[in-house]
Amino acid sequence: EVQLVESGGDLVQPGGSLRLSCTASGFFFSSYAMTWVRQPTGKGPEWVSVISGSGASTYYADSVKGRFTISRDNSKSKVYLEMNSLRAEDTAVYYCARGGLWFGINDQWGQGTLVTVSS
Amino acid sequence: EIVLTQSPGTLSLSPGERATLSCRASQSISSSSLAWYQQKPGQAPRLLIYDTSNRAAGIPDRFSGGGSGTDFTLTISRLESDDFAVYYCQQRGDSPGTFGQGTKVEIK
Repeated sequence: EVQLVESGGDLVQPGGSLRLSCTASGFFFSSYAMTWVRQPTGKGPEWVSVISGSGASTYYADSVKGRFTISRDNSKSKVYLEMNSLRAEDTAVYYCARGGLWFGINDQWGQGTLVTVSS
Repeated sequence: EIVLTQSPGTLSLSPGERATLSCRASQSISSSSLAWYQQKPGQAPRLLIYDTSNRAAGIPDRFSGGGSGTDFTLTISRLESDDFAVYYCQQRGDSPGTFGQGTKVEIK
């Protein structure tokens, strides 16, 4: 069974940093791109970033470019989202999903982790 | 960035009725790039349809997708109680990937 479990969400002050993790199981991790998608309360999902299976290619939404960094450790079946210079508008539930862009369909999703940016 | 516009914003229907949801792209996209998701409160989005018209594993055949170019449609042939939810379209053919703003299907 495919499982994706996010962790690391927390309350952080504006300008602060946070690292999210997503632990995958039930599939051959390095064969799949991985995506981060976020969703503010009461709003639709927003695509954030994707990383290819090898980690060689990464893409970002303009709203996070230069502040967020996606990475992965295939030996641990984990994908990360390093978030710096956080703003109030980054407040959302953050989901990781298998696949992404032309690398593949986002067919499996985690349950999400909540990031709140507030003083 | 490819903008996806969904209509209507809310669809009020009764169980057994047919639902037709629209997703319009700001530029032409490949049919292999369009997906539909269902989301219920407190849950992650769930893949329903990929590549415009292919049902994901375990999705009942009352869900169907179609379209091409800039206009895509999700149809639910006969609404069941479990289908009342919010539906999003997504394109993955161009970076950044984008989602529509959603259509809420509510019980009339």
